[in-house]
Amino acid sequence: SQTIHQWPATLVQPVGSPLSLECTVEGTSNPNLYWYRQAAGRGLQLLFYSVGIGQISSEVPQNLSASRPQDRQFILSSKKLLLSDSGFYLCAWSVRGVGLGEQYFGPGTRLTVT
Amino acid sequence: KNEVEQSPQNLTAQEGEFITINCSYSVGISALHWLQQHPGGGIVSLFMLSSGKKKHGRLIATINIQEKHSSLHITASHPRDSAVYICAVPSGGSNYKLTFGKGTLLTVNP
Repeated sequence: SQTIHQWPATLVQPVGSPLSLECTVEGTSNPNLYWYRQAAGRGLQLLFYSVGIGQISSEVPQNLSASRPQDRQFILSSKKLLLSDSGFYLCAWSVRGVGLGEQYFGPGTRLTVT
Repeated sequence: KNEVEQSPQNLTAQEGEFITINCSYSVGISALHWLQQHPGGGIVSLFMLSSGKKKHGRLIATINIQEKHSSLHITASHPRDSAVYICAVPSGGSNYKLTFGKGTLLTVNP
């Protein structure tokens, strides 16, 4: 069966510090991968998606970036965090080639920027 | 861009009650998603449907493509159903982007 892992589960970082969140998927190959953010009191917002290694599409201009160094690994990064980067970050995967097929979410990382 | 409206925003019910959550969208779609977000934050995909009705246990999802409307029903509600229920539809212009509703917070009291 497929499993999606995210770490860390919670993170408190000062403004201006770097960020690295990691997501890995097990039990499937060639997945579509997604990074979402959920700010307090707001809906889910798509940040990045990837349909293959090294292929990243950005949906929202911001100080975040994403990379996909391996087929089942997706990393969200920032060089300098802003207060507005606080939120709940979720990684998700879907079956390749299905476009907007069913998405399977990781447990999330709760980021607080102080 | 597709706009998504969910109602109600908040819903409180007594255990055993029949629950209905509604979702309307503005642009024709190929499929609609219903998600459940637990109090801890984890999100589970409940349904993806493009027509008619789907049932899983006590959960039933229906969609009317012509009216651009979907409903999620919970029969014999239980306190463990307490969660935020979110509908999502394709944003339009992308094969990978979903637009999410703001969610319905359901609280089921014993």
